[in-house]
Amino acid sequence: NAGVTQTPKFRVLKTGQSMTLLCAQDMNHEYMYWYRQDPGMGLRLIHYSVGEGTTAKGEVPDGYNVSRLKKQNFLLGLESAAPSQTSVYFCASSYPTSGSGEQYFGPGTRLTVT
Amino acid sequence: AQSVTQLDSQVPVFEEAPVELRCNYSSSVSVYLFWYVQYPNQGLQLLLKYLSGSTLVKGINGFEAEFNKSQTSFHLRKPSVHISDTAEYFCAVRNDYKLSFGAGTTVTVRA
Repeated sequence: NAGVTQTPKFRVLKTGQSMTLLCAQDMNHEYMYWYRQDPGMGLRLIHYSVGEGTTAKGEVPDGYNVSRLKKQNFLLGLESAAPSQTSVYFCASSYPTSGSGEQYFGPGTRLTVT
Repeated sequence: AQSVTQLDSQVPVFEEAPVELRCNYSSSVSVYLFWYVQYPNQGLQLLLKYLSGSTLVKGINGFEAEFNKSQTSFHLRKPSVHISDTAEYFCAVRNDYKLSFGAGTTVTVRA
C-alpha cells in the first residue's frame, strides 16, 4: 500500500515551458486535491476533484489545469510556466464526507521556474 | 467558510522543554479541526484530529490538543520535546470536503 505518490519529485522549468505533475493513490479515495506551499502562506488549494471525471477550482487556480480521467490519478498541468509558480506542490486524497475529512498527503514536488 | 489562524510563525524551544502552538478558528456551530506535521523535505502527516466528544485529543508522538469552544481555540502541546520534533506544524479546519490551513508554525528544537 503506497498511499499517495507524486511524480516527479523535482523539476526545473524555463518560463513558458509546460509540464504535468502526476498524483496517484491506491486507497480508493473519492476526493483528490492539489495544493501549493509557499513560505509563510501555508497550503493553498489549487484544484480538487470529488470523483472520476469531475474537477473544480480551489483558492488559486489561475495558470493551472487538472484532469481526473481515472479514480486513482489526478494530474496537474502548467501550460506556460511562470516564475510565480515556483513552489512545492502537494497532492492529497480523502474519503467522502461521511468520514472525518482527513486528507492523506503525497511527498511533494519541488518546482523551480527560471 | 471557516478559517484558522496560527498565532506564532516560529517557536524556538530547548530539548526536553514543553511547547505550545496556538491555533484559533473562526466560530461555527460545529467544526472539525486537525493538526498536521511536516518534517523537513517531506509531506504532511496527521498528528491528531478533533471531531466531537472529549475536548482533550491525544495524537501521535506524545502530542495533544485541547478544543476550547468558548475561546475558539485548538492549541497543540507537548510536555517534553525532542530534537526530532523540529518541523513545521499546520492547523487546519474542515470546510465541507476541503481543508483550510493556517500559515504554519516552525518549531526548532535546540540541545
